[in-house]
Amino acid sequence: DGGITQSPKYLFRKEGQNVTLSCEQNLNHDAMYWYRQDPGQGLRLIYYSQIVNDFQKGDIAEGYSVSREKKESFPLTVTSAQKNPTAFYLCASSRGTSLIETQYFGPGTRLLVL
Amino acid sequence: AQSVTQPDIHITVSEGASLELRCNYSYGATPYLFWYVQSPGQGLQLLLKYFSGDTLVQGIKGFEAEFKRSQSSFNLRKPSVHWSDAAEYFCAVGAGYGGATNKLIFGTGTLLAVQP
Repeated sequence: DGGITQSPKYLFRKEGQNVTLSCEQNLNHDAMYWYRQDPGQGLRLIYYSQIVNDFQKGDIAEGYSVSREKKESFPLTVTSAQKNPTAFYLCASSRGTSLIETQYFGPGTRLLVL
Repeated sequence: AQSVTQPDIHITVSEGASLELRCNYSYGATPYLFWYVQSPGQGLQLLLKYFSGDTLVQGIKGFEAEFKRSQSSFNLRKPSVHWSDAAEYFCAVGAGYGGATNKLIFGTGTLLAVQP
């Protein structure tokens, strides 16, 4: 079955630690996205990538970094510079970057700070 | 600036009753509009989308939505709610970002509870 997988389901971060969230898709989609979801705030775009080896900042990129070395993978690193990392992180992908392309979402990773 | 407003944070309906979830948007051009549903601790699933044409859009799970340009609204409806419809519902508008990139601007969501 085609889809988007995210791992781990839950992730704990200690103070000063960098952690990496995995996102893999087998839909052969060119575009991938990372969103952060906080209670009562909806989803906000962190980073997006239109194609391999290219990515752009979204609305709340500070304290985060990404890479896109393979078409199917778009990992997100939450760095120690992100002072309030506790949130639900959602990865999405779409066939292209046209506005008519539907974004499909993974099941999410919940990040908690110890 | 583009924005989406979902005025109702929480709604409770009885099973079998009709449902309408409100969504208002602010966007200068013709909007691309979406409704997504999220079950607890899960990702988002697309219910339906509107790009152009018929203003009444049919989606999955028996949902429909009507685009009203004069009211800047895209309300989601279902004639008879099932207990499995209990979830959080997000309205979103697609907007150009950094060129033609597909960016979704989400509302804050409406949490639907279904009473037996």
